Amino acid sequence: DAGVIQSPRHEVTEMGQEVTLRCKPISGHNSLFWYRQTMMRGLELLIYFNNNVPIDDSGMPEDRFSAKMPNASFSTLKIQPSEPRDSAVYFCASSPRVGGAVSTDTQYFGPGTRLTVL
Amino acid sequence: AQSVTQLGSHVSVSEGALVLLRCNYSSSVPPYLFWYVQYPNQGLQLLLKYTTGATLVKGINGFEAEFKKSETSFHLTKPSAHMSDAAEYFCAVSEDNQGGKLIFGQGTELSVKP
Repeated sequence: DAGVIQSPRHEVTEMGQEVTLRCKPISGHNSLFWYRQTMMRGLELLIYFNNNVPIDDSGMPEDRFSAKMPNASFSTLKIQPSEPRDSAVYFCASSPRVGGAVSTDTQYFGPGTRLTVL
Repeated sequence: AQSVTQLGSHVSVSEGALVLLRCNYSSSVPPYLFWYVQYPNQGLQLLLKYTTGATLVKGINGFEAEFKKSETSFHLTKPSAHMSDAAEYFCAVSEDNQGGKLIFGQGTELSVKP
């Protein structure tokens, strides 16, 4: 299996621009998670989906952030407009559903997208 | 509310020495506990996890962790460090009915000296 695929791997943009990060989860996985990693705040969960439905978006910083999962094999995280404080590494992770006890599932992480907003 | 505290943001050991990375959690219900490792410029990968049953859990690369409910701890150990163990290690907790949501600790960076 190719694992979780994220694109782009690196993104440099200017303040005010729209940024779209993409994620392809592992085939057959039912849950998808978006995380943000910074030195100051560590690893934060932004939003997660079960069966393409957003379950908890309480970690999304503000209305400038939005996430979609139009189908089981694709998700996007959009920032509009971007700000320098959004600079971070954004990870996507997916997990299978094993016997319904999703809280015990292993999450498989992609390589991340390093975002720099100038 | 769940939380995870990792004691020590940086740990340095000599090659061949014992590795001990500390993790304490807070949870109102029986927790599920995880250790993930992140190598430079890579995503996280699972080292081991505790769900139910045996409290001593063995993982990949010779690591193991013990769930101690009375101490609310899940410390990670390895008897003999290898240079390739240098990485950042994250402890995480989840609970039932949370849809698989993980709460991560701040991470501990492990350095291994030759």
